[in-house]
Amino acid sequence: GAVVSQHPSWVICKSGTSVKIECRSLDFQATTMFWYRQFPKQSLMLMATSNEGSKATYEQGVEKDKFLINHASLTLSTLTVTSAHPEDSSFYICSARRMQDSGNTIYFGEGSWLTVV
Amino acid sequence: GQSLEQPSEVTAVEGAIVQINCTYQTSGFYGLSWYQQHDGGAPTFLSYNGLDGLEETGRFSSFLSRSDSYGYLLLQELQMKDSASYFCAVRADTGKLIFGQGTTLQVKP
Repeated sequence: GAVVSQHPSWVICKSGTSVKIECRSLDFQATTMFWYRQFPKQSLMLMATSNEGSKATYEQGVEKDKFLINHASLTLSTLTVTSAHPEDSSFYICSARRMQDSGNTIYFGEGSWLTVV
Repeated sequence: GQSLEQPSEVTAVEGAIVQINCTYQTSGFYGLSWYQQHDGGAPTFLSYNGLDGLEETGRFSSFLSRSDSYGYLLLQELQMKDSASYFCAVRADTGKLIFGQGTTLQVKP
């Protein structure tokens, strides 16, 4: 089956630094990937839609200058949390839609735990 | 705006049947999905309803009524391993999922 891989799975960074999370579709091409954030005991909140070769579309309330998304190829999207603060500590997860699918099948990455200290 | 309502917690015993309801109000609708998530893990796809009616996959079934903006997930023959959070999610656009707040299911012996 289709596989989406995220890296790193766990990351701890100091407040004020930036951290990059990668989302790769390993065996299929994904024109569109989605980034979610999930705080403990809460739901997944869509942050942005990442489109290959164009700018990401951010959801209302998400700071695009803080959460930089790049979708440089059909198999890779990256989320960079800039000037991270402890309140950015969360579970970040990506999903991808396979090009040849009708759009009804979404594949999730394993997620990345970010802790900002 | 977008909103999905589902109960926050449900408790049931092993072997029982439980139904988790979801009502939605979204600006676009391309189907209702259900996901299971265990603590610390990624969501796992359970089912998808694009049209009205019942979809059955093993012990899990899902139902959709678009006219009522309502759906449910039915879990039968509950097992301890079914203890998890269950999310309904509306496909608001191709691939774009809007999640409900989640229902924590606790299965007791």
